[in-house]
Amino acid sequence: DAGVTQSPTHLIKTRGQQVTLRCSPKSGHDTVSWYQQALGQGPQFIFQYYEEEERQRGNFPDRFSGHQFPNYSSELNVNALLLGDSALYLCASSFGSGVNTEAFFGQGTRLTVV
Amino acid sequence: AQKITQTQPGMFVQEKEAVTLDCTYDTSDPSYGLFWYKQPSSGEMIFLIYQGSYDQQNATEGRYSLNFQKARKSANLVISASQLGDSAMYFCAMRERSSARQLTFGSGTQLTVLP
Repeated sequence: DAGVTQSPTHLIKTRGQQVTLRCSPKSGHDTVSWYQQALGQGPQFIFQYYEEEERQRGNFPDRFSGHQFPNYSSELNVNALLLGDSALYLCASSFGSGVNTEAFFGQGTRLTVV
Repeated sequence: AQKITQTQPGMFVQEKEAVTLDCTYDTSDPSYGLFWYKQPSSGEMIFLIYQGSYDQQNATEGRYSLNFQKARKSANLVISASQLGDSAMYFCAMRERSSARQLTFGSGTQLTVLP
């Protein structure tokens, strides 16, 4: 049973460009969340997708957008990249949204903006 | 105010000894869950242990146990019989009922196990 898979693993982009990151959730999971982890910090919640809708968003600007497909996979798009967007982007999948819901994480996409 | 505070940026422990990683949290929601994750250098967050706010007993999972002191709002992770493979970043996280769709993480503790 494959876990959460993310692609690509590493990416280098130039300031001002746009980037798309991809995530396939663990089998049986219907909810995908995205997190940004800057170097030396804990992950910060970006947003969560369920039934192809964004249903909660963290404190991130509109440059960050996403999409969820009918097969539950998801994309994270970041427009007008800034140097400060350099980070590890983690995708987490889950089934349900209670306080005890366990989130399964992928290995992340390391984005470097130059 | 920080919702999750981990005050130990780095910790060292001798192989086969026990170690406690500290975590305090701040919430007014009576229903919440506390999680500990391990993040090796590969980047993946690995779930270790969960404690619910209404759980009467401290959670245990193999060599991991959670010392839950609700009145003090602390949820410390205890790793017994440390192994070299335990060297990693450890994050405490919380999910509140009022915003159950997101995990809020602390800044982490880098644990190094010495041979």
